[in-house]
Amino acid sequence: QKEVEQNSGPLSVPEGAIASLNCTYSDRGSQSFFWYRQYSGKSPELIMFIYSNGDKEDGRFTAQLNKASQYVSLLIRDSQPSDSATYLCAVEAAGNKLTFGGGTRVLVKP
Amino acid sequence: DAGITQSPRHKVTETGTPVTLRCHQTENHRYMYWYRQDPGHGLRLIHYSYGVKDTDKGEVSDGYSVSRSKTEDFLLTLESATSSQTSVYFCAISSKDWALVGEQFFGPGTRLTVL
Repeated sequence: QKEVEQNSGPLSVPEGAIASLNCTYSDRGSQSFFWYRQYSGKSPELIMFIYSNGDKEDGRFTAQLNKASQYVSLLIRDSQPSDSATYLCAVEAAGNKLTFGGGTRVLVKP
Repeated sequence: DAGITQSPRHKVTETGTPVTLRCHQTENHRYMYWYRQDPGHGLRLIHYSYGVKDTDKGEVSDGYSVSRSKTEDFLLTLESATSSQTSVYFCAISSKDWALVGEQFFGPGTRLTVL
């Protein structure tokens, strides 16, 4: 069983709407959680990270963490066509490593 | 952008041949990682390094070896390439460890095809 699960999508949202992406993880000991964005044919880039339960906001992005339920989510407000990409959830694993989910493809339609 | 390059960027090779991919960084970061990315699997860690000559295995290390003789270079070797190793390979670097391990910068990737 994969340790980090994401819906592969595509998640289709109209321009200006909120895109909501979810990620669940299996290791209760994980302490930190990361969201990467990857455009088609490009390398991943870090956009958000969160360590504490609750919400963390950065511009149009909000990360939400619930350790008791073992999920982390990413909200993209006022979605733009330039937000169309694959979003990878990553969870810190013991030994200075990351475990990635399979990614959720987001399509923002004008 | 973080100073990280990968070479070659594209390679086609035949089954059974050895292949070496190079990752070079100019950031003097301690940690370096090799991942492979395949459809439906996201990124999977092959090997990583936490210092010169200090390396460890990731979740998909079978068939791969690595070496790090200098801080700036991390080599990934496929001793005898197989078709199942056809993939996109990404190198990543980080100056952070433990809870901050996820703050990684990725290279542009190498697309490897094994015929």
